[in-house]
This record gives sequence, C-alpha cells and structure tokens, in this order.
Amino acid sequence: QVTLKESGPGILQPSQTLSLTCTFSGFSLSTYGMGVGWIRQPSGKGLEWLANIWWDDDKYYNPSLKNRLTISKDTSNNQAFLKITNVDTADTATYYCARPAYGLLDYWGQGVMVTVSS
Amino acid sequence: DIQMTQSPASLSASLGETVSIECLASEGISNDLAWYQQKSGKSPQLLIYAASRLQDGVPSRFSGSGSGTRYSLKISGMQPEDEADYFCQQSYKYPNTFGAGTKLELK
Repeated sequence: QVTLKESGPGILQPSQTLSLTCTFSGFSLSTYGMGVGWIRQPSGKGLEWLANIWWDDDKYYNPSLKNRLTISKDTSNNQAFLKITNVDTADTATYYCARPAYGLLDYWGQGVMVTVSS
Repeated sequence: DIQMTQSPASLSASLGETVSIECLASEGISNDLAWYQQKSGKSPQLLIYAASRLQDGVPSRFSGSGSGTRYSLKISGMQPEDEADYFCQQSYKYPNTFGAGTKLELK
C-alpha cells in the first residue's frame, strides 16, 4: 500500500526558507522508475506542479519559481524534501507530495497548509 | 510551457445526467493527459491516465477521450458523490501543467 505524508512549518515569515518533508511508504526511491513530486494549491485555486525527483537523482523544476526550489531525497529513510527560498505571501498554499508514474500522479499525500505572513 | 485551457469553469448537472469537461492543450501532447477529481477538503485523486485509461477502482461511468490537443472527460450518469473539482494535467513536457479546473455541482 502506497502512502505519502507531508510535513512543514505551518507558518513562516516573508523572506524565510520553506522546508517541506514528504515521508512515504509502499515504494522505494532506489527502485528504477520511482519518483516523488511536489504540487501546491492556494486556497480555492488550481494546482501548480513544482518539482520532481527520480530514483536516479534526476530533478526537474518549474522554471516559474526562478531557481528558488531545491528538491532532494533520503532513500534510506523513504523521504523527499523541498526547499523554497525567499518566500512571500504568494507562496501561501497547501503543498502536496505525490508519486509520479509515467507523468501521472497516482498517489497523493493529504497535503500540508503553509501560510506566509509577517 | 504548454498551456492547458479547461472548460467550462463550472457546471451544474442533475442526477443521472451525462456531463463533459474539455481540455485544450496549446500544442500536441501525444495522449499524455490525466484527469483528477478533488472533493472538498481532500487531495486530488487520479481518475484517467493516458487520455483514456481508467485508474483502478474508478467507476466505469467515468471515461476519457481525445488526441492531439483536444481531450475530454465524460461522466455518464451524474451521481451525488461526483460533486467535486476536476483538473486535467499534461505530462508530455516539463513543466507539467494543469488546467484551471472545473467545479461540478449537483443540481
């Protein structure tokens, strides 16, 4: 059974760095073809894909966030991470991690709400 | 980036009615198209992948079709539990992009 769960700070101030953790089970990031992706959704709005990391450490980012993103993984502990630097109020959203399989996202976490406020 | 134009933004359907939602890609995406359902307060769930393949466990009243740049999701017989937001997503090229969503309500 595949499960994913996000964790994060809840609230942070503008200009700080947002650090998110995705803890998963039911698959391994050391297995060929496996990956973890991050997607966010401001309240009442649509979905925005942020980044994917793959079993071979290949990484893909959404260029709209202009080099503010860093995705990484800890294969031994079944975790993936996302950092977003220099946050502002526009980064307030629910952040999801999900498993990308041939592009589609077949399993999603429950999401973690992040608020950026001074 | 590939733009995904989804329509309509919202619709209301009666019990048993057939509804369709469309996504138009700004360039051909070779059927690398998925549909997700998101119920209020929940995370999205995969319904359809590769434009027309039904994810395991999804009711057969959901179907997907299309090719090239035009894709659609059909619900054959609206049920109360189908009230949700629906999103399309292309995975043909990075950055993967989503449609803006369709809010489906029961009339």
